[in-house]
Amino acid sequence: GQQVMQIPQYQHVQEGEDFTTYCNSSTTLSNIQWYKQRPGGHPVFLIQLVKSGEVKKQKRLTFQFGEAKKNSSLHITATQTTDVGTYFCASAAGGTSYGKLTFGQGTILTVHP
Amino acid sequence: DAGVTQSPTHLIKTRGQQVTLRCSPISGHKSVSWYQQVLGQGPQFIFQYYEKEERGRGNFPDRFSARQFPNYSSELNVNALLLGDSALYLCASSLGGGHNSPLHFGNGTRLTVT
Repeated sequence: GQQVMQIPQYQHVQEGEDFTTYCNSSTTLSNIQWYKQRPGGHPVFLIQLVKSGEVKKQKRLTFQFGEAKKNSSLHITATQTTDVGTYFCASAAGGTSYGKLTFGQGTILTVHP
Repeated sequence: DAGVTQSPTHLIKTRGQQVTLRCSPISGHKSVSWYQQVLGQGPQFIFQYYEKEERGRGNFPDRFSARQFPNYSSELNVNALLLGDSALYLCASSLGGGHNSPLHFGNGTRLTVT
């Protein structure tokens, strides 16, 4: 079945440093969604990308979808302690008509003050 | 507006027992999905229901079943519990039933099987 690989598994940064997590698939993705899960919490939807080469920004967060729609990245500029959590990418297989999403294994971000 | 609500929040069961988890979607949302999240991993898709019909089933054994009620709330049932069923069970609702609808997750039910 479809797999979405996410790297790195862990990232430790000093507050103010940048952070990037990558999501890769061997198959073309219909879309890519990004979620954030705080420790002890539940995943919270951040954004969705659907177009080839799409770039979206949310304040310090920049999301990209690859030209071939097989990879995506989330970049955080000047991390803050509030950015701590696990970031997941999720996608549906191409042609899927219902709402099944396949999640990556996540990147755990730790921010040291 | 209330978000997705799940009950109970925590549950401890013994191997071989049966469990029922409940979920109420956001008002107006007609799709409910269930995911299993094992510690250190991403959520894994179990079921999706849209307009009270099963729209998708993940790679889980027949011990797992679910249903959606006329008010769009949902139940997830797991029979003959195994130790490996210990996980956080997340319910998510969405406005539409397609894969472009963002998921709104509840706080989950933490199931421990001993």
